[in-house]
Amino acid sequence: EVQLVESGGGLVQPGGSVRLSCVASGFIFNKAWMSWVRQAPERGLEWVGRIKSKNDGGTADYAAPVRGRFTISRDDAKNTLYLQMNSLKTEDTAVYYCTTGNSGGEDDWGQGTLVTVSS
Amino acid sequence: AIQMTQSPSSFSASPGDRVTITCRASQAINNYLAWYQQKPGKAPKILIYAASTLQSGVPARFSGSGSGTDFTLTISSLQSEDFATYYCQHYYNYPFTFGPGTRVDI
Repeated sequence: EVQLVESGGGLVQPGGSVRLSCVASGFIFNKAWMSWVRQAPERGLEWVGRIKSKNDGGTADYAAPVRGRFTISRDDAKNTLYLQMNSLKTEDTAVYYCTTGNSGGEDDWGQGTLVTVSS
Repeated sequence: AIQMTQSPSSFSASPGDRVTITCRASQAINNYLAWYQQKPGKAPKILIYAASTLQSGVPARFSGSGSGTDFTLTISSLQSEDFATYYCQHYYNYPFTFGPGTRVDI
């Protein structure tokens, strides 16, 4: 059974940084392309970015609102996905979900971790 | 970036109703489209990928169709557990984007 467990969320001041983690199990992590999706309070889903497996190049692509501020990385030895978030803005307040899948879409989701950007 | 729209944004329905939700892409995306269901306080759940392929374990009352720019999600007979918000998402090229969602209320 696929399990994705996010952590690292909390209260951060505008302009600050935070790193989210997602520990994966139940599938071959080093072959998986992994994504982050966020959802602001009472709002819809927003795709944040995706990282390829190292075998497929290991590169990441990002949505425009986060490009240059957020970085997705992975540690295949620890089956862990990361989201480094810098220069945070109040509009980055959201639940951040870690996702994966083989279909092309987001087949499996974690429970999410809440990041609140506020002074 | 490709923009996704959905209609309607919300509506009320009754158990047993046949329900259709529409999703439109701002440019052709072949069949690179997924549908998700989200209930309050829960993570989304994938229902359909490749526009019409049912994810394993999803009830057969859900179906998807379309290609190019226009897509539909149909629930053949609405059950009480289907009252939720539904999102479409394209994965044709980066950045992937979601539609704004369609809320289905009792």
